[in-house]
Amino acid sequence: DAKTTQPTSMDCAEGRAANLPCNHSTISGNEYVYWYRQIHSQGPQYIIHGLKNNETNEMASLIITEDRKSSTLILPHATLRDTAVYYCIAEETSGSRLTFGEGTQLTVNP
Amino acid sequence: DAGVTQSPTHLIKTRGQHVTLRCSPISGHKSVSWYQQVLGQGPQFIFQYYEKEERGRGNFPDRFSARQFPNYSSELNVNALLLGDSALYLCASSLAGTSVYEQYFGPGTRLTVT
Repeated sequence: DAKTTQPTSMDCAEGRAANLPCNHSTISGNEYVYWYRQIHSQGPQYIIHGLKNNETNEMASLIITEDRKSSTLILPHATLRDTAVYYCIAEETSGSRLTFGEGTQLTVNP
Repeated sequence: DAGVTQSPTHLIKTRGQHVTLRCSPISGHKSVSWYQQVLGQGPQFIFQYYEKEERGRGNFPDRFSARQFPNYSSELNVNALLLGDSALYLCASSLAGTSVYEQYFGPGTRLTVT
């Protein structure tokens, strides 16, 4: 599985867009990019995933660069409830496990 | 619909003892995975079961074992507990056995070994 690199922490003002970057320079062609988040004392929650096209759902948007070496998770209007650790994971579609790193602690401030 | 449920929520054990943790997946999900999360770190994969067969195993000692029942619920067993086994144990269920399907995590069981 490709290793991912994320900033340790980020801050965002409530109501503004939160842009969380992730580097995955060794990603292979059959590895998806997944984003999960973990709110304090809860289990991780799936957010979104993609292969090479940009994706959007009700929670977030995922922008993947053309060379697939990096991606950005966008929370368009961050709220205090979005404060959490966000994990970027590169994983083969046929894989059976998620390899979590240390993630980015996003703090949304009022 | 009920999400993934785990029991117990908290547990305190003594070194050398044995522990059994339980997980019920979302209805219709046939895959269950177990993760260990030590304080301050991301979850680490322990096992995955799909259709009652072991599909994957992480880098954990043989003291850790698991099984999946015909109703797709699962148990994680840890023998000869060590202080380092203190962690949050997470169960995740998904429709099928590959990670292309999103995994739904339970709230976890907090295990403290003294």
